[in-house]
Amino acid sequence: AQSVTQLGSHVSVSEGALVLLRCNYSSSVPPYLFWYVQYPNQGLQLLLKYTSAATLVKGINGFEAEFKKSETSFHLTKPSAHMSDAAEYFCAVSDRFGNEKLTFGTGTRLTIIP
Amino acid sequence: DTAVSQTPKYLVTQMGNDKSIKCEQNLGHDTMYWYKQDSKKFLKIMFSYNNKELIINETVPNRFSPKSPDKAHLNLHINSLELGDSAVYFCASSQEARPNTGELFFGEGSRLTVL
Repeated sequence: AQSVTQLGSHVSVSEGALVLLRCNYSSSVPPYLFWYVQYPNQGLQLLLKYTSAATLVKGINGFEAEFKKSETSFHLTKPSAHMSDAAEYFCAVSDRFGNEKLTFGTGTRLTIIP
Repeated sequence: DTAVSQTPKYLVTQMGNDKSIKCEQNLGHDTMYWYKQDSKKFLKIMFSYNNKELIINETVPNRFSPKSPDKAHLNLHINSLELGDSAVYFCASSQEARPNTGELFFGEGSRLTVL
């Protein structure tokens, strides 16, 4: 069974600082990996996804993530945080061969300090 | 125009009651889902339908019954509500039958509180 672990349920960064949200996955087959963002009182929105093309994936709002098989990681980064980035971020995994489900991590709440 | 819309957004009810949440998508997608998000923000799939056919049914109590009258609608009916059913329920849709390569579009959620 596949799973993802998000290290740090809360992360705070200053406006303009680097954002780094960590995600490690466990999967018996090569995975597909996703980052979703949830703004307050809203549904989840896809930020980016890795589906076996380039290992560095660029998403919306200046976010990107790098798939590292050797580290089983898919960390999310943004060079310069903006106040509007404050939200809950979810990493998710699914496998390529028949599993229909996305398995989500427990989320990381990102707070931006002015 | 909201792509995936759910009603009601908030629902407060007593234990033992029966309630329904409705979901509609205007994206022309073939697949729809129900997810449950608990108080710790943990998000778990409950059901998915592809063209009105049930394709995922997680180990959800049979008090929960999804119904898809057409591929644009997926409703969730809950019988004999329990305290543990309190959560935010999200409807989602995707263009492909397999969500692992596609993007899920979520509604804004329906917050259910059982007293």
